[in-house]
Amino acid sequence: EVQLVQSGAEVKKPGESLKISCKASGYDFSTYWIVWVRQMPGKGLEWMGNIYPGDSDTRYSPSFQGQVTISADKSISTAYLQWSSLKASDTAIYYCAKLVSIRYFDSWGQGTLVTVSS
Amino acid sequence: QSALTQPASVSGSPGQSITISCTGTSSDVGGFNYVSWYQQHPDKAPKLMIYDVSYRPSGVSSRFSGSKSGNTASLTISGLQAEDEADYYCSSDTSSSTLGVFGTGTKVTVL
Repeated sequence: EVQLVQSGAEVKKPGESLKISCKASGYDFSTYWIVWVRQMPGKGLEWMGNIYPGDSDTRYSPSFQGQVTISADKSISTAYLQWSSLKASDTAIYYCAKLVSIRYFDSWGQGTLVTVSS
Repeated sequence: QSALTQPASVSGSPGQSITISCTGTSSDVGGFNYVSWYQQHPDKAPKLMIYDVSYRPSGVSSRFSGSKSGNTASLTISGLQAEDEADYYCSSDTSSSTLGVFGTGTKVTVL
């Protein structure tokens, strides 16, 4: 069974750094793109960027380029999303999802709630 | 890339059929047969309902169907049930090489 298990909820202050994780199991992690998706409170889904764990090829949507860093460690089947300096506007639920043939998501993580508040 | 355009809300009575549209451009919806649809209940992760415009994953009810014409894709829910009340999002591949785009989302209400 394919599973994506994300790290737990985080409460941070503006300016702090953060790295959240997405651990995959049940499939060959190296051969499928992982996508990070943002959902701000009461809002829709936003495609942040992708990583191909096999060679760490990473792509960012224009709105998120330079704002976050996506990485992966294929030795432990885990993808990461990190911020160097959080802002209040980063408050959201972040999902990781497995992308099939760059066409659709067949598995999603449970989501990680990130709250940034002073 | 800009979000695909969906109606903010659609409603229907139990047993009725409803259709949700998803409008893009020739650089996304119109240019690829890679439109997918996701259902999201409150405080839950999205769930795949339709992929490649009109294919249903195993386990998804046959009441859900998808289609596409030009730059607009559609999701139809027939025999509407209370459990179908949720938010629905379309997604499409784009010309931006592995980066896709989501729709703005539609809240489905069962009256």
